[in-house]
Amino acid sequence: DQQVKQNSPSLSVQEGRISILNCDYTNSMFDYFLWYKKYPAEGPTFLISISSIKDKNEDGRFTVFLNKSAKHLSLHIVPSQPGDSAVYFCAGLGSNDYKLSFGAGTTVTVRA
Amino acid sequence: DAGVIQSPRHEVTEMGQEVTLRCKLISGHNSLFWYRQTMMRGLELLIYFNNNVPIDDSGMPEDRFSAKMPNASFSTLKIQPSEPRDSAVYFCASSLGTGVQSPLHFGNGTRLTVT
Repeated sequence: DQQVKQNSPSLSVQEGRISILNCDYTNSMFDYFLWYKKYPAEGPTFLISISSIKDKNEDGRFTVFLNKSAKHLSLHIVPSQPGDSAVYFCAGLGSNDYKLSFGAGTTVTVRA
Repeated sequence: DAGVIQSPRHEVTEMGQEVTLRCKLISGHNSLFWYRQTMMRGLELLIYFNNNVPIDDSGMPEDRFSAKMPNASFSTLKIQPSEPRDSAVYFCASSLGTGVQSPLHFGNGTRLTVT
């Protein structure tokens, strides 16, 4: 039972342009949403999070938007850089405070 | 800080054999998670330990899977007997506490292939 879905398995974008990664969820009890970034042959690393009471969180080139009514969030990367090429996982954190439910990931390729 | 260390990085074994994956936590971390990554299901939580005690093992697929924390800095995940459908990348992750204030620190994973 996938509570977090990333329906786009891959995304290709030109360097300098915006990357938009989408994520949908079904569990309305999630308190936080997190994005993790993963390079090949490495483990995921934490990127950015957003509380369910916010609709936007920004950290440098990365911005998360949350639309609770639509149960949808997105990660914007502006401007995209070649080093951003990686797999991005969206995750929801429930009220039990420890169980992250991950999506299947979106592979981003930034073309020079 | 060496980060979370997993071994081996790659494991190829034949169906029916026992497989043991190992994980060394970051010093001082008290929460330990084992995840499995597959193409179809992404990252799934297998088991969560807090202060060496298993808190949630609901993600462990079946009795063939077992996990232990013999001490505060080390954990093992054992599969006996292994099956081809167990082929995946297994990640260990640790954190100091839980919640959004304590992001998980993942190891580089063990890629398991069962033939």
